Amino acid sequence: AQSVTQPDIHITVSEGASLELRCNYSYGATPYLFWYVQSPGQGLQLLLKYFSGDTLVQGIKGFEAEFKRSQSSFNLRKPSVHWSDAAEYFCAVGPFGSGSARQLTFGSGTQLTVLP
Amino acid sequence: DTAVSQTPKYLVTQMGNDKSIKCEQNLGHDTMYWYKQDSKKFLKIMFSYNNKELIINETVPNRFSPKSPDKAHLNLHINSLELGDSAVYFCASSHSTANTGELFFGEGSRLTVL
Repeated sequence: AQSVTQPDIHITVSEGASLELRCNYSYGATPYLFWYVQSPGQGLQLLLKYFSGDTLVQGIKGFEAEFKRSQSSFNLRKPSVHWSDAAEYFCAVGPFGSGSARQLTFGSGTQLTVLP
Repeated sequence: DTAVSQTPKYLVTQMGNDKSIKCEQNLGHDTMYWYKQDSKKFLKIMFSYNNKELIINETVPNRFSPKSPDKAHLNLHINSLELGDSAVYFCASSHSTANTGELFFGEGSRLTVL
């Protein structure tokens, strides 16, 4: 069975500081990995996704994530955090292929607080 | 134009009542979902419909009944509401043949059962 672990429930950083959110997954085949962001009072929005190719993927809002197969990790990073980045971040894993969206498993989320 | 829209955004009701949440998407997708997000932000799929046909029905009480009149709409009706039903319910959509795996979410409907 596939699973996603986000070890950090809550992270606080100062504006302008760098950020790394951790995600570890368990999946029997080559995973399809995602990061979604949920701003307060909003639905989830896709930040970036990875299936194959370059293990460093770029997303929207200046975010990037690195896939490390040996560590079963897909950590999200941003070099300089903005106050508007305060939100809940979800990592998700699923199969690649037709209908993959139906089989996504989400992590429990990491709440990001940004200090002025 | 909102891609996936849900109504109402907030719902406060008494135990035992029946309530409905409506969802509409204008993305041309053929698959729609209902997710439940509990107080700890854990997101769990409840139902999925593809072209009006139920394809995923997770372990959800029979009090929850989804209905899809067409592929652009997926409503959720809840009978005999219980305290534990309090949560944020998200509607989402995707294209069944797309390999991207991307889900498009509505803004959520916060249900509070008193």
